[in-house]
Amino acid sequence: GAGVSQSPRYKVAKRGQDVALRCDPISGHVSLFWYQQALGQGPEFLTYFQNEAQLDKSGLPSDRFFAERPEGSVSTLKIQRTQQEDSAVYLCASSLKREPDRVLFFGSGTQLSVL
Amino acid sequence: AQKITQTQPGMFVQEKEAVTLDCTYDTSDQSYGLFWYKQPSSGEMIFLIYQGSYDEQNATEGRYSLNFQKARKSANLVISASQLGDSAMYFCAMREGLTGGGNKLTFGTGTQLKVEL
Repeated sequence: GAGVSQSPRYKVAKRGQDVALRCDPISGHVSLFWYQQALGQGPEFLTYFQNEAQLDKSGLPSDRFFAERPEGSVSTLKIQRTQQEDSAVYLCASSLKREPDRVLFFGSGTQLSVL
Repeated sequence: AQKITQTQPGMFVQEKEAVTLDCTYDTSDQSYGLFWYKQPSSGEMIFLIYQGSYDEQNATEGRYSLNFQKARKSANLVISASQLGDSAMYFCAMREGLTGGGNKLTFGTGTQLKVEL
């Protein structure tokens, strides 16, 4: 597709369940980012991939959060044993590396609600 | 550490008027990039405009311009001739360094803009 695609659009989980959020970046984009956006806040960085390599995971809030991008394209953000404080919109973004690389292109996000 | 401050939680503007959304930043880096994104109710973050710290001219993109005052560490967004479709949340963001790679963005808390008839 032309843009960054995320699925599911909405996810409701019971506390303690594991969830997996998918991101399809723009074709050819080397860099991929995950952000977490709490209600009424700006997005906060979670993790960054360059191709299949996870180069920065400093923003992951706990070891319950895990991200992967095994073939350098599609990425999955997994949250184990979800807690209520995990409720947020999870945004994925991608960018080219070689361009002046000034722009991140974002998807519409996955809204996660943990009950 | 980087910090972005947007002091206006909400703004109203009449259609066809201009509006300025404020953004100040704090960084010890000499090289950095400043961005504005628009987030409509659909949730997608839409890139609007970029300013590099060494760019001498203020950035412009159509009806958007960035009023960059480096000494004051401000990067205000000016939207001219507001349209109803401009109603959305607007985020200011900063990136350390000038070239992309893995440099991540730090976002402000946003300003909700409402354009009225």
